[in-house]
Amino acid sequence: GNSVTQMEGPVTLSEEAFLTINCTYTATGYPSLFWYVQYPGEGLQLLLKATKADDKGSNKGFEATYRKETTSFHLEKGSVQVSDSAVYFCALRASGTYKYIFGTGTRLKVLA
Amino acid sequence: AAGVIQSPRHLIKEKRETATLKCYPIPRHDTVYWYQQGPGQDPQFLISFYEKMQSDKGSIPDRFSAQQFSDYHSELNMSSLELGDSALYFCASSLVGGYPSGANVLTFGAGSRLTVL
Repeated sequence: GNSVTQMEGPVTLSEEAFLTINCTYTATGYPSLFWYVQYPGEGLQLLLKATKADDKGSNKGFEATYRKETTSFHLEKGSVQVSDSAVYFCALRASGTYKYIFGTGTRLKVLA
Repeated sequence: AAGVIQSPRHLIKEKRETATLKCYPIPRHDTVYWYQQGPGQDPQFLISFYEKMQSDKGSIPDRFSAQQFSDYHSELNMSSLELGDSALYFCASSLVGGYPSGANVLTFGAGSRLTVL
């Protein structure tokens, strides 16, 4: 079946550090891939997406590249800020389905 | 821009009671999804509707039911509530099969927090 595997958190970094949150997936066909972010007490917000192999999604300094050969969609940011502290969810939508499948989430804490 | 509206934001019920959550999707979105998120957990897919018809079903208990109405709003009905039903319930909407960059993406509401005592 379709699934998403994320690195476990929490991830604690100092401000301006480099961030990588790993995400790999299992899916049939050509899924669309997403990163969502959830701030405390709020709903999930789309951070970025990629719909085909080698696409790079980017937003607010975050980037992720759709790698079909490694079935990965790792999230990166060159210099994190305290305001980036949140839970990050990797997700996929398999082609031909309506259902979005989420990873277990990775909590990021950035210290000043 | 209009967002996904959920109500109520907070709800407290006793065991064995019934609860109803409402969701108003983004205008012109054709698909509504319901997710349940327990404390520290990832969102678990419950059910979805495309053009008012059930399109997919996930780990939704038989005690729960949902529907989408002619105005596209959706309701999640939960009966015989159990302590384990305490969670955040998110509704999301999307425009399935759309091409613009904003389409085919889930937009979530702020969630309804259900506490079962």
